[in-house]
Amino acid sequence: GQQVQQSPASLVLQEGENAELQCNFSTSLNSMQWFYQRPGGSLVSLFYNPSGTKQSGRLTSTTVIKERRSSLHISSSQTTDSGTYLCAYNTNTGKLTFGDGTVLTVKP
Amino acid sequence: EAAVTQSPRSKVAVTGGKVTLSCHQTNNHDYMYWYRQDTGHGLRLIHYSYVADSTEKGDIPDGYKASRPSQENFSLILELASLSQTAVYFCASSAGGEDTQYFGPGTRLLVL
Repeated sequence: GQQVQQSPASLVLQEGENAELQCNFSTSLNSMQWFYQRPGGSLVSLFYNPSGTKQSGRLTSTTVIKERRSSLHISSSQTTDSGTYLCAYNTNTGKLTFGDGTVLTVKP
Repeated sequence: EAAVTQSPRSKVAVTGGKVTLSCHQTNNHDYMYWYRQDTGHGLRLIHYSYVADSTEKGDIPDGYKASRPSQENFSLILELASLSQTAVYFCASSAGGEDTQYFGPGTRLLVL
């Protein structure tokens, strides 16, 4: 079965609205990462988050390792936030396992 | 900023042909990875390497070979390309197995 469940699969916002993206893992993990994939395809690492809360500008990532979940909060969304958000977990083998992503569309 | 480059950026190949995708990193990272992404899905690990001249199988290694001739270079080889290998391929590097991975721009492969 799917080891990484991301929700929602897609999300449409009006500019200025907030978004909450979820990632749930079906296995134990050492750490996890959030990535942003541009419409053109390249990936950018947003957060490397073994546990706790991290913030970068309008983005906040909260990971609870024991509960096998992580969330990404986007505040005051902008059209440039549109793209796909991927989460991935890292076990002690060093391999990343990805979810299928959340496609975010922010309308002006 | 970490730098990972891939070549070619896109390629059209014929079924049964040989395809080599190349990846180069200037980060002095020990770990390198090859992933594939199918439309609408996340990335899946094909092969990875944590030291030159050694490669390891990832989650979907069938139909692919990998080569790590040096710390900086990591190649993915499709000896007999098949239609099902049409995808976008990403290379990545990291300092250690549990460290942040830095990705290249991707290679779009179309097998006809």
